[in-house]
Amino acid sequence: DAGVIQSPRHEVTEMGQEVTLRCKPISGHNSLFWYRQTMMRGLELLIYFNNNVPIDDSGMPEDRFSAKMPNASFSTLKIQPSEPRDSAVYFCASSPQSGSNEQFFGPGTRLTVL
Amino acid sequence: RKEVEQDPGPFNVPEGATVAFNCTYSNSASQSFFWYRQDCRKEPKLLMSVYSSGNEDGRFTAQLNRASQYISLLIRDSKLSDSATYLCVVAGYSTLTFGKGTMLLVSP
Repeated sequence: DAGVIQSPRHEVTEMGQEVTLRCKPISGHNSLFWYRQTMMRGLELLIYFNNNVPIDDSGMPEDRFSAKMPNASFSTLKIQPSEPRDSAVYFCASSPQSGSNEQFFGPGTRLTVL
Repeated sequence: RKEVEQDPGPFNVPEGATVAFNCTYSNSASQSFFWYRQDCRKEPKLLMSVYSSGNEDGRFTAQLNRASQYISLLIRDSKLSDSATYLCVVAGYSTLTFGKGTMLLVSP
C-alpha cells in the first residue's frame, strides 16, 4: 500500500522565490497535518485539516505561509516569499480519523533557501 | 516550561546494553502518549503507545506516570539497528506534540 507521498523530496531555492510543497495522504485518511522540523525547534505542527477543512493554523509562522486542501487526496503548503530561515524539513502526515492519534508521515521535503 | 522535554543525548551504548529514556510533559490534560522512532534523514514512525499500566513490546517497555507527568522507554539487549532518535509524543484531542528527541547510538 502506498504511504503518504510528498514532492519534491528536495528543494533548493533563492530567497524571495515562491515554494510549493505537495502532499498526497493515505487513501481514506480524514486528517492531514503539516509539520516543520529543524534542529533548533524540533518537529512543529504548522496546520492540520480534517475532512479537507483547516481546523487549526495557529502554528503557521506568518502570512508568508499558506496551506490548502482542495480535495481528500491532495494538499499544498506554499511559502511566498521564501526566506533563509524557512530552511527545514517539511513533513506531511495523515491519520485515519479525527481523534485517532497514530499519524503516518511522508518522507518529507528538505527545503534549502539560499 | 516546554510542553515535552527530553534529554537530547546522544546515548552511546554497546550492543546488548539496557538503556532508558525519560520524558516530561507540561499539560496535565494530555490524553494519550507515544514513542516514535526517527532514523537519520527519515520520517518519524510510531514505535509504541504508552499506557498507564505500562506496556511491553519485545525488548521495549514503556511506562507512564500521570501524577509526575513523566514517560519512560526502556530498551533491553540493544541492537545496532536500534540506533535512531526516539521522540516522546503527547496527544491532545486531535493533535500531537513532539519532544525534540533523544538520540541513541548502539556500537558493536
